Amino acid sequence: EVHLVESGGGLVQRGGSLRLSCAASGFTFSNYWMNWVRQIPGKGLEWVANIKQDGSEKYYVDSVKGRFTISRDNAQNKLYLQMDSLRAEDTAVYYCAKDDSSSPWPTHFDYWGQGALVTVSS
Amino acid sequence: DIQMTQSPSSLSASVGDTVTITCRASQDISSWLVWYQQEPEKAPKSLIYTASRLQSGVPSRFSGSGSGTDFTLTISSLQPEDFATYYCQQYRDYPRTFGQGTKVEIK
Repeated sequence: EVHLVESGGGLVQRGGSLRLSCAASGFTFSNYWMNWVRQIPGKGLEWVANIKQDGSEKYYVDSVKGRFTISRDNAQNKLYLQMDSLRAEDTAVYYCAKDDSSSPWPTHFDYWGQGALVTVSS
Repeated sequence: DIQMTQSPSSLSASVGDTVTITCRASQDISSWLVWYQQEPEKAPKSLIYTASRLQSGVPSRFSGSGSGTDFTLTISSLQPEDFATYYCQQYRDYPRTFGQGTKVEIK
């Protein structure tokens, strides 16, 4: 059974840094694109970033480019999101999500973690 | 960026009803569209992908249609567990973008 478990969320001051982790199990992690998606409590969903199976390609939404870095450790079955220069508008629940297909191009997300809350205080 | 617009934003329906939610993309996304269901305080769950393919394990009362810019999600014979918020999302281009959501409430 696929499991995705996020950790590392918490309260941080504006301008600070935080690193989220996502521990994956139940599938061959190295075969899939992986994603981070966030949701302001009570609001809609926003895709943040994704990373190719071997880490050779990474894509970001404009609002986090230059501040957030997605990475993965295939040996440890872990996905990361390093968040620097945090802003109040980054406050959200952050989900890691697995791509549905093991193809070379990204698809939709078939499994999501339970989410980690990041709160940026101003 | 490709804008995804859902309608309605919310609707009220009864158990057994058929409901339809629409999603419009600001440009042609072919069939690269997925529908997610999100229950309160839970992670989203994939229902329909490539506009009309049912995700494994999802009941057949959920169906999707459309291509290009106009898409629909239909829930036939609404069940109590279907009262949730539904999102469409395009994966034709970056950044991946979601609709604003449609909340299905009990009448």
